[in-house]
Amino acid sequence: GAGVSQSPSNKVTEKGKDVELRCDPISGHTALYWYRQSLGQGLEFLIYFQGNSAPDKSGLPSDRFSAERTGGSVSTLTIQRTQQEDSAVYLCASSLLESYNEQFFGPGTRLTVL
Amino acid sequence: AQSVTQPDIHITVSEGASLELRCNYSYGATPYLFWYVQSPGQGLQLLLKYFSGDTLVQGIKGFEAEFKRSQSSFNLRKPSVHWSDAAEYFCAVEGGTDKLIFGTGTRLQVFP
Repeated sequence: GAGVSQSPSNKVTEKGKDVELRCDPISGHTALYWYRQSLGQGLEFLIYFQGNSAPDKSGLPSDRFSAERTGGSVSTLTIQRTQQEDSAVYLCASSLLESYNEQFFGPGTRLTVL
Repeated sequence: AQSVTQPDIHITVSEGASLELRCNYSYGATPYLFWYVQSPGQGLQLLLKYFSGDTLVQGIKGFEAEFKRSQSSFNLRKPSVHWSDAAEYFCAVEGGTDKLIFGTGTRLQVFP
């Protein structure tokens, strides 16, 4: 079946602009995660959605970052008033909780803030 | 707090040589442990995972890893490396929070 898809694959924006990154999880997966991969920083957890529960936003670096998940499927990560330090690859993953949290990752969106 | 340490930032091996990538974790109980691989420009692919039971786990592409509770380690091994194994490798732990904590990764370079 189809894996996790993300769009766009690349996004170049100017400092101060807002951006939206999209994630389509694997069909039937109840959990969805966003991570950020910065050069030299490794992979950093951002936010986690599980079913209809309130999301775990503990990893969001500032209030400029927000995410929503509509209908328990597609998710959008929004970054407002982008800064140069937001430049990174944003990875989305989904999982079935029954599979002991084995997460399947999308190819990522590379964000460059000029 | 949970954490993962990958002490080797960059490793270079010759094709056909054996490989061991180190991973140490910090967690009070037995965590769920994972190794992922990321090829250039690609997302992360799961190589193998440990949840419980046999401490030696087999994964895809000929990789294996051994969970050693006494050393808080989960090292990844392969007996004979292929040029296509050149990539970045990430160890990760999940300790009851439903989110993965990753190490900083080890970049593997393979020489012919």
